[in-house]
Amino acid sequence: GEDVEQSLFLSVREGDSSVINCTYTDSSSTYLYWYKQEPGAGLQLLTYIFSNMDMKQDQRLTVLLNKKDKHLSLRIADTQTGDSAIYFCAAYWEGGKLIFGQGTELSVKP
Amino acid sequence: DTGVSQDPRHKITKRGQNVTFRCDPISEHNRLYWYRQTLGQGPEFLTYFQNEAQLEKSRLLSNRFSAERPKGSFSTLEIQRTEQGDSAMYLCASSFDGPGETQYFGPGTRLLVL
Repeated sequence: GEDVEQSLFLSVREGDSSVINCTYTDSSSTYLYWYKQEPGAGLQLLTYIFSNMDMKQDQRLTVLLNKKDKHLSLRIADTQTGDSAIYFCAAYWEGGKLIFGQGTELSVKP
Repeated sequence: DTGVSQDPRHKITKRGQNVTFRCDPISEHNRLYWYRQTLGQGPEFLTYFQNEAQLEKSRLLSNRFSAERPKGSFSTLEIQRTEQGDSAMYLCASSFDGPGETQYFGPGTRLLVL
């Protein structure tokens, strides 16, 4: 089955770029997602990328997909303190369920 | 539409009691998913419905768990004879039918079993 891995922590200074990385094991995952979770809250969809794309940009967010290495990244430009949260990478799997990574906790220092 | 809603937001119960959670999806969505999230982990799939049909159940869903979506709208998740290991955040999501359709999540129900 699919397995999704993420690094657990990232700390950046306000105004810097943040890059959150994710690897997955099954190349048949056709859609890959990034969700954001603030403390005590549900998951907010940030963006997604289809497996036939290499890059997707949406305002401050850039998603890069390397299918050969099964590596996905989320770059947040001009990171703000309000971006502090846990970021989850998720792969679309059989029947529509999402397989999530453990989450990367992003800490933004002023 | 205001999005996916879940009720209650928090539930504290004693071991051995039964609990029931409700999820109201986005009204046009015909798929509804339940996930469980324990502290420090990503959500794990439990089950999903297409309209009123329950199409898949995870092995995580023991026989103490049952989910229903009787009219293809809201769904309930019941846990019988709760155990301390059931303490978690229970998340509901909904989507349109189709590959890659975006799942929109509710705020979750946080369960604490004492």
